[in-house]
Amino acid sequence: DSGVTQTPKHLITATGQRVTLRCSPRSGDLSVYWYQQSLDQGLQFLIQYYNGEERAKGNILERFSAQQFPDLHSELNLSSLELGDSALYFCASKEAPGANYGYTFGSGTRLTVV
Amino acid sequence: DQQVKQNSPSLSVQEGRISILNCDYTNSMFDYFLWYKKYPAEGPTFLISISSIKDKNEDGRFTVFLNKSAKHLSLHIVPSQPGDSAVYFCAASAHFGNEKLTFGTGTRLTIIP
Repeated sequence: DSGVTQTPKHLITATGQRVTLRCSPRSGDLSVYWYQQSLDQGLQFLIQYYNGEERAKGNILERFSAQQFPDLHSELNLSSLELGDSALYFCASKEAPGANYGYTFGSGTRLTVV
Repeated sequence: DQQVKQNSPSLSVQEGRISILNCDYTNSMFDYFLWYKKYPAEGPTFLISISSIKDKNEDGRFTVFLNKSAKHLSLHIVPSQPGDSAVYFCAASAHFGNEKLTFGTGTRLTIIP
């Protein structure tokens, strides 16, 4: 158990629908990161939050949005889902930006759009 | 545009021998590199990192080598153990403190007993 909790573990939904993925960071970690891993691809950076504020943005689609709440958990909202959005979505956390170590990943949410 | 490349999708190594995983990058702004290991149904686990001011970093059985002129890094595992069987991802970031990591597509390492 890495200490980063992602729910749900699996999600199957239809095209056009909206889903919310949830992430609870490790205790004490203020930074949260979201990554997408499509089939046979590397992890693609989506977005980073630090202590409730958006800090960095990657190739995140306009149909996707995220936020980090005062209790530091984060949610990734995916709307108008398309078949190509099927992927593993990973959340990761870190105590603070700039620390000289890798961040800790959760076990991911597997999203299947049918 | 794949800025971090792991050209070997898979690698098989005998237990006890050395495993060498390779990674190439194209973005000369990358100055911090990491290796992650991933088991099935789990998230990636941080393994080892190296800053561009170094050419080698060692942690137990794991050593990462960085050749900046060739834009190449490698992970050596010695000796290889069955528990090392996993997918290994190379990752890089530009400007230490920039938290966005660019990942390679991974190499599946299988250790043969």
